[in-house]
Amino acid sequence: AQTVTQSQPEMSVQEAETVTLSCTYDTSESNYYLFWYKQPPSRQMILVIRQEAYKQQNATENRFSVNFQKAAKSFSLKISDSQLGDTAMYFCAVLASGSRLTFGEGTQLTVNP
Amino acid sequence: GAVVSQHPSWVICKSGTSVKIECRSLDFQATTMFWYRQFPKQSLMLMATSNEGSKATYEQGVEKDKFLINHASLTLSTLTVTSAHPEDSSFYICSGVPGSSYEQYFGPGTRLTVT
Repeated sequence: AQTVTQSQPEMSVQEAETVTLSCTYDTSESNYYLFWYKQPPSRQMILVIRQEAYKQQNATENRFSVNFQKAAKSFSLKISDSQLGDTAMYFCAVLASGSRLTFGEGTQLTVNP
Repeated sequence: GAVVSQHPSWVICKSGTSVKIECRSLDFQATTMFWYRQFPKQSLMLMATSNEGSKATYEQGVEKDKFLINHASLTLSTLTVTSAHPEDSSFYICSGVPGSSYEQYFGPGTRLTVT
């Protein structure tokens, strides 16, 4: 079984600044994938970034990057140059066998003008 | 690509009635579909996994006779909430997984209100 922990229920950041969301996970699988999803007020789940556990290089997607520490089972998300449209609930998730996702409890991020 | 739709987006029904929610993969064939339930300000809770042509696998604590899942084709899965009660009011989200892929693509969700 997999578990995902997001220890920050809420965070806020000023527009144009940088913010980091924390995530730790646990899995007994050797092959797995990690994701960050964004859920804006529309409630549509949007994939922000993915990381294959076998890759050492941290994934990057434009303003979004991760700090993947495999030994520590940590997978944090850094958002640079925060924009008002980044305001959303962010979920960290791990996928092991069978395409089954396990989600964390989420972090509500508010970007202030 | 990889678009999933859900219908309806919002439904209100009376207590004791049944309501069906459709989940369609529009541009891919989904060998596996997942159904989630989400309460306000909470995470997604997996209800069941459905594979085309076979019975759904329900998570512990989910009543299979109350939440009927049918995955009759590679592009359509349905969730029927039978004899709905106010406590079934929630946001239901489906996702589909293409062929040999591992990644889930999410539908926009359906808001169910039982009065």
